[in-house]
Amino acid sequence: EAQVTQNPRYLITVTGKKLTVTCSQNMNHEYMSWYRQDPGLGLRQIYYSMNVEVTDKGDVPEGYKVSRKEKRNFPLILESPSPNQTSLYFCASSLLAVSYNEQFFGPGTRLTVL
Amino acid sequence: AQSVTQLGSHVSVSEGALVLLRCNYSSSVPPYLFWYVQYPNQGLQLLLKYTSAATLVKGINGFEAEFKKSETSFHLTKPSAHMSDAAEYFCAVSEEYGNKLVFGAGTILRVKS
Repeated sequence: EAQVTQNPRYLITVTGKKLTVTCSQNMNHEYMSWYRQDPGLGLRQIYYSMNVEVTDKGDVPEGYKVSRKEKRNFPLILESPSPNQTSLYFCASSLLAVSYNEQFFGPGTRLTVL
Repeated sequence: AQSVTQLGSHVSVSEGALVLLRCNYSSSVPPYLFWYVQYPNQGLQLLLKYTSAATLVKGINGFEAEFKKSETSFHLTKPSAHMSDAAEYFCAVSEEYGNKLVFGAGTILRVKS
């Protein structure tokens, strides 16, 4: 089944404890992206990757890191999480980095930072 | 920068009634527009997209949307609401270069029996 998977689905952690949220797609997509969803704000892009080894900042990159060493994986790293990073996170992918391509979303990771 | 405005954070309709969810965008060039639906505890699923081929776009589950350039709108409609339509709906515009989606704040649709 073609899909985007994320792990973990739920995570509660404490301030300053490094964490990684994994994202993997099995559709051979070039483009991958991370969004965070907050009530009343919709989804905002954190980082994106046009292809392997190519990443760039989105609208809200502060406090996050990413890497794209393989085409299928795009992990999101929080080196020192803070309570304002409590949010619902979505990974997405699309075949190519062009404006008309549909993005496929993972099931989401709900993160709580205490 | 492009932006999307969804009027009404919550919309309530009766089962069988018309569904109308409003979306207005700002863009200096003809945009690519999308409607996504999010069911509880799930990711986003594409309902439909506008890519300039036709102004009336039909999507899944009986939804459709009409692109009106003069009004910079892309409202989502469904003639008859079903209980299973209860979800949050997001309108999004794609940036001209690259593949970044700019989302509206979302509209939660409630369907009453």
